[in-house]
Amino acid sequence: AQKITQTQPGMFVQEKEAVTLDCTYDTSDPSYGLFWYKQPSSGEMIFLIYQGSYDQQNATEGRYSLNFQKARKSANLVISASQLGDSAMYFCAMRDAYNFNKFYFGSGTKLNVKP
Amino acid sequence: DVKVTQSSRYLVKRTGEKVFLECVQDMDHENMFWYRQDPGLGLRLIYFSYDVKMKEKGDIPEGYSVSREKKERFSLILESASTNQTSMYLCASSEGADQNYGYTFGSGTRLTVV
Repeated sequence: AQKITQTQPGMFVQEKEAVTLDCTYDTSDPSYGLFWYKQPSSGEMIFLIYQGSYDQQNATEGRYSLNFQKARKSANLVISASQLGDSAMYFCAMRDAYNFNKFYFGSGTKLNVKP
Repeated sequence: DVKVTQSSRYLVKRTGEKVFLECVQDMDHENMFWYRQDPGLGLRLIYFSYDVKMKEKGDIPEGYSVSREKKERFSLILESASTNQTSMYLCASSEGADQNYGYTFGSGTRLTVV
């Protein structure tokens, strides 16, 4: 079975500071993909960043980086220099090893950026 | 700009009604998905489809069915709506080759069953 755990239901961060959103996963498969999505209040899920299980480097996309620690099965999202527009729900997801189009999602973390 | 469009943002239906949620994508994607999102539970897969007229059950298919008569359209059907189906419903699509980019999602339909 595959499982994604996000232990932080809600978080606050001061504008311009960095914040880390935690994600741990559970799989016995050697090949998998990890994703982070952002869901603003408008409801649409927005893809942020991807990390493959065989990737040697941590993924980065602008202000987003993924702290991938394979042995600990963690894939934390780091947002640098937080902006007010970063306030949203954030979901960690893992792609099914046998079905590349099937994803498992965590329960999400609500991030609030304070001015 | 590529889009996944869900026909309604908000719906209110009565218990026992047959409810249709429509989703259309303009990216010629092969794969389409329906999820429901509930607080504390994240997103749970209801049904997905790899091709026209093809469908597979997800993790929580009970009480739902789907229809995919055309590649661009994937409909979720609540045969007899119940109050425990009050939720946010998200449609998504993906191209099998674009594995690094995951899904493209619609804006969601918030369904309330009274």
